[in-house]
Amino acid sequence: NAGVMQNPRHLVRRRGQEARLRCSPMKGHSHVYWYRQLPEEGLKFMVYLQKENIIDESGMPKERFSAEFPKEGPSILRIQQVVRGDSAAYFCASSPTDTYNEQFFGPGTRLTVL
Amino acid sequence: AQKVTQAQTEISVVEKEDVTLDCVYETRDTTYYLFWYKQPPSGELVFLIRRNSFDEQNEISGRYSWNFQKSTSSFNFTITASQVVDSAVYFCALRGTNSGYALNFGKGTSLLVTP
Repeated sequence: NAGVMQNPRHLVRRRGQEARLRCSPMKGHSHVYWYRQLPEEGLKFMVYLQKENIIDESGMPKERFSAEFPKEGPSILRIQQVVRGDSAAYFCASSPTDTYNEQFFGPGTRLTVL
Repeated sequence: AQKVTQAQTEISVVEKEDVTLDCVYETRDTTYYLFWYKQPPSGELVFLIRRNSFDEQNEISGRYSWNFQKSTSSFNFTITASQVVDSAVYFCALRGTNSGYALNFGKGTSLLVTP
């Protein structure tokens, strides 16, 4: 049973470019969460999605960031016009329900903005 | 508001020593869940344990044990007879039942076990 898959594992972008991060949840999981980990910091919640719905985006920056989880395919976290401050590790997690189960994390995408 | 404090930023021990990682939390929710995750040098996050606020029994899993005390709002993690493979960053996290969907993480404790 494959775990949460994220790709790419490493992504390098120049300032002003777009970054697209993909997340495929564990089989049977329909709830996806995105977190950001800045250097020397813990993980900060960004957004929670179910299929075709954004449930909670209280942790998303208001500009340049968006997320989706289409009916078919992976969840996508999109960062437009990246800046150096966006350099971080972005983790996706999934769970089978929205009760208080543990969230299973993917390996993360490490974004570096030059 | 939810808050998790891991006061120990870094801990270094010699192999076979016991080590305790502290976690103190704040929440207004009467029902909540506490978690520990391990982040080894490879970077992924590995789930270790989940505890709900109604279950104060201590838990032991091999060399790992957890001490949950509501009276002091603490959920401490002890590794007995530490090994080099235990070297990692350990995160404590909290989720309240009336506080949204996020896991609220502490800043982590970096544990280094040397031979």
